[in-house]
Amino acid sequence: KNEVEQSPQNLTAQEGEFITINCSYSVGISALHWLQQHPGGGIVSLFMLSSGKKKHGRLIATINIQEKHSSLHITASHPRDSAVYICAATYNTDKLIFGTGTRLQVFP
Amino acid sequence: EPEVTQTPSHQVTQMGQEVILRCVPISNHLYFYWYRQILGQKVEFLVSFYNNEISEKSEIFDDQFSVERPDGSNFTLKIRSTKLEDSAMYFCASIVGLAGGQETQYFGPGTRLLVL
Repeated sequence: KNEVEQSPQNLTAQEGEFITINCSYSVGISALHWLQQHPGGGIVSLFMLSSGKKKHGRLIATINIQEKHSSLHITASHPRDSAVYICAATYNTDKLIFGTGTRLQVFP
Repeated sequence: EPEVTQTPSHQVTQMGQEVILRCVPISNHLYFYWYRQILGQKVEFLVSFYNNEISEKSEIFDDQFSVERPDGSNFTLKIRSTKLEDSAMYFCASIVGLAGGQETQYFGPGTRLLVL
């Protein structure tokens, strides 16, 4: 069964801290996606990657195909980064299989 | 920047009533999706739609659900006889559909459905 597991479920940080969220998945993905869900519920795609590393501003996403593991890093975290971060995978179709999400709160 | 839109943003209905949730995908996109998120749970795939046909559906998508693209812009999800457990946030998403599973999905803002 195609599954996506995330950790931790909840994460609190002080402003400025370096944050890591982890994701593991079952074999055979086409791509690994990181998404952000705002407090109001809206979902925004952050990254889509199938190998290596991608960077956008203070966000970095990495994937290790051999270990079936991906990480999302946030450098110099800020209270506006507070949101739910979700890992999702596509397998042999384009439908997304979602993880349970990591609720991040960054305090000033 | 083009975006996926959904209406209504909130819908309250009585159990047993029919609801239609509407989505307008990005105009050059070819694949459309409905997902749902029950409060406190993860987002789940419901159905994908391409070329006026369902291309894949989940076990959740039973005979009470249907999808349609009634014109060139709207994509709708109908729930025929709502149940309490249909209460959830429903998200529409779309992609161009040419990259074989390696393509960013664009999500609408969601419709929060409450069944009483």
